[in-house]
Amino acid sequence: GAVVSQHPSRVICKSGTSVKIECRSLDFQATTMFWYRQFPKQSLMLMATSNEGSKATYEQGVEKDKFLINHASLTLSTLTVTSAHPEDSSFYICSARDPSGGGGSQETQYFGPGTRLLVL
Amino acid sequence: SQKIEQNSEALNIQEGKTATLTCNYTNYSPAYLQWYRQDPGRGPVFLLLIRENEKEKRKERLKVTFDTTLKQSLFHITASQPADSATYLCALDMGGGGNKLTFGTGTQLKVEL
Repeated sequence: GAVVSQHPSRVICKSGTSVKIECRSLDFQATTMFWYRQFPKQSLMLMATSNEGSKATYEQGVEKDKFLINHASLTLSTLTVTSAHPEDSSFYICSARDPSGGGGSQETQYFGPGTRLLVL
Repeated sequence: SQKIEQNSEALNIQEGKTATLTCNYTNYSPAYLQWYRQDPGRGPVFLLLIRENEKEKRKERLKVTFDTTLKQSLFHITASQPADSATYLCALDMGGGGNKLTFGTGTQLKVEL
């Protein structure tokens, strides 16, 4: 149980274009999902908290107009990187909490496999 | 803000030995602490969660301790195997509700034959 998928796993785009990344909870309903970014040799940095049916909460320093988050259903959150630039190239990872605990605890976050974004 | 330090960037041990990884934190007393495993190019995989009122927790060959006085957690892998080679991350809740996590930079473990 508690499986999270991401799509695509890898994307290459031209500078100035927008890229959408999907995060799905496959076997549970996630009212809260989280989006992280990870640069090489660095740890995960929380970008925003995605809440189903409401606006996302962004961490300090993260531009909400550049990183658009939509959590339209209990199993899907999307992150759109708008007008991508080479400095946006990174590993984007989502996670979700299973309110039922999913065999673990309610605080456990289950992570997707990540999306590697390369902006040329 | 919360600061998390994990000991050394890389730890090499021999197969069969016990690996011990350290996570130290400052500035805040988290209600719980989690350990994750991350393989190259993959998302983290949850391993264990330990709460502030728990001293120790075990799961198969894994053991985690949590010392809120020292502000430290130790993560042990006994009878280590080459398949245990990965980066291990500790994560603390950021407080303020919302179950947001702050991650350490991770310790890369390599188990050699």
